[in-house]
Amino acid sequence: DAKTTQPPSMDCAEGRAANLPCNHSTISGNEYVYWYRQIHSQGPQYIIHGLKNNETNEMASLIITEDRKSSTLILPHATLRDTAVYYCIVRVYDNNDMRFGAGTRLTVKP
Amino acid sequence: GAGVSQSPSNKVTEKGKDVELRCDPISGHTALYWYRQSLGQGLEFLIYFQGNSAPDKSGLPSDRFSAERTGGSVSTLTIQRTQQEDSAVYLCASSFGSGGLYGYTFGSGTRLTVV
Repeated sequence: DAKTTQPPSMDCAEGRAANLPCNHSTISGNEYVYWYRQIHSQGPQYIIHGLKNNETNEMASLIITEDRKSSTLILPHATLRDTAVYYCIVRVYDNNDMRFGAGTRLTVKP
Repeated sequence: GAGVSQSPSNKVTEKGKDVELRCDPISGHTALYWYRQSLGQGLEFLIYFQGNSAPDKSGLPSDRFSAERTGGSVSTLTIQRTQQEDSAVYLCASSFGSGGLYGYTFGSGTRLTVV
């Protein structure tokens, strides 16, 4: 079973920030939070990961609460090409069995 | 190559036949993973190769499934005596270093249809 809870779907207006929440209340101290996305008919694409500090890269920002029980992926200026299923995953870095749940289907609308 | 390459992209086979799916990982990536994704479902871990270590086969659903990785590069996933429930997209991923700390790179998958 996936150890995360995400809303099944969200909409976002093009050009606005998309904020995707994830609950991981049972996260362990050595588990990282990973985000991937899967655009239709493609393999999942790595976005970002973090342990406890907030992280930012060219694709997105990851905000992790101080108690680490939840996190938010932020796409600062969503485009139509960001329409995809977004997966939040928690795992120990050397755990090969990275379990994907159902994810959040983000639809960016013009 | 620039990414993870999988072939064929689509495969239709008759029930009971054997199939081989191929994965070419990113050059220099030591870890290679196979997942499968059934229609509308999340990804299911199948097997993991890391360098010359024994593979982690804990996700293989039955003994009809096997995989090899030759020379630490190309991998082949073999499904013997295919069943209709084997129909899925089979995804290969590779990463630099053990455990994929820096993220996996996935291929576009092989869509297997067993009729």
